[in-house]
Amino acid sequence: GAVVSQHPSRVICKSGTSVKIECRSLDFQATTMFWYRQFPKQSLMLMATSNEGSKATYEQGVEKDKFLINHASLTLSTLTVTSAHPEDSSFYICSARDQGMNTEAFFGQGTRLTVV
Amino acid sequence: GDSVTQMEGPVTLSEEAFLTINCTYTATGYPSLFWYVQYPGEGLQLLLKATKADDKGSNKGFEATYRKETTSFHLEKGSVQVSDSAVYFCALSDLNQAGTALIFGKGTTLSVSS
Repeated sequence: GAVVSQHPSRVICKSGTSVKIECRSLDFQATTMFWYRQFPKQSLMLMATSNEGSKATYEQGVEKDKFLINHASLTLSTLTVTSAHPEDSSFYICSARDQGMNTEAFFGQGTRLTVV
Repeated sequence: GDSVTQMEGPVTLSEEAFLTINCTYTATGYPSLFWYVQYPGEGLQLLLKATKADDKGSNKGFEATYRKETTSFHLEKGSVQVSDSAVYFCALSDLNQAGTALIFGKGTTLSVSS
């Protein structure tokens, strides 16, 4: 099946710094990618929908200035957590769908962010 | 809006026991239905899917049938193994809308002991 690669898998950063997470579709082109956040023992919360070449669409309650999303090409989307604070510590997962219709979403391995 | 409700966990079973994880959905259109599995510290893997009513998805001994009349997509396995211990998510999406994200249930943790 299609592969979505997410990097890094784990990152620890100091409070106030910024962290960039990359999401790549390795063998297909993804017009749309999705970023989710998962709290411990909870479901995935959709943060934003990332569209290649245009601005991301953020879900209600998600701060667009804190969670910067860039989808510069059909195979790469990045999520930057700016001025991170301990409450931003979480598991972030990206997802991508092939350009064609009737395809399921493929998920990255996730990134465990810990802000100290 | 569309939503997914799945049974609360954790579900604790002995090896070779029968598994059922209930999932029901609410949708305005005709969504596709999915079960994803998440092992500790990892992302989500597609377990099975069904794209229309009465379809049965199956994989690795797991199966689920898309029941439009009861708006359900219950996951079953006849004989679970310790290696099946994971979190299982039911989800829906309109596959005809390429820009549509999946909507997930809250997840059900399965723990299988030998």
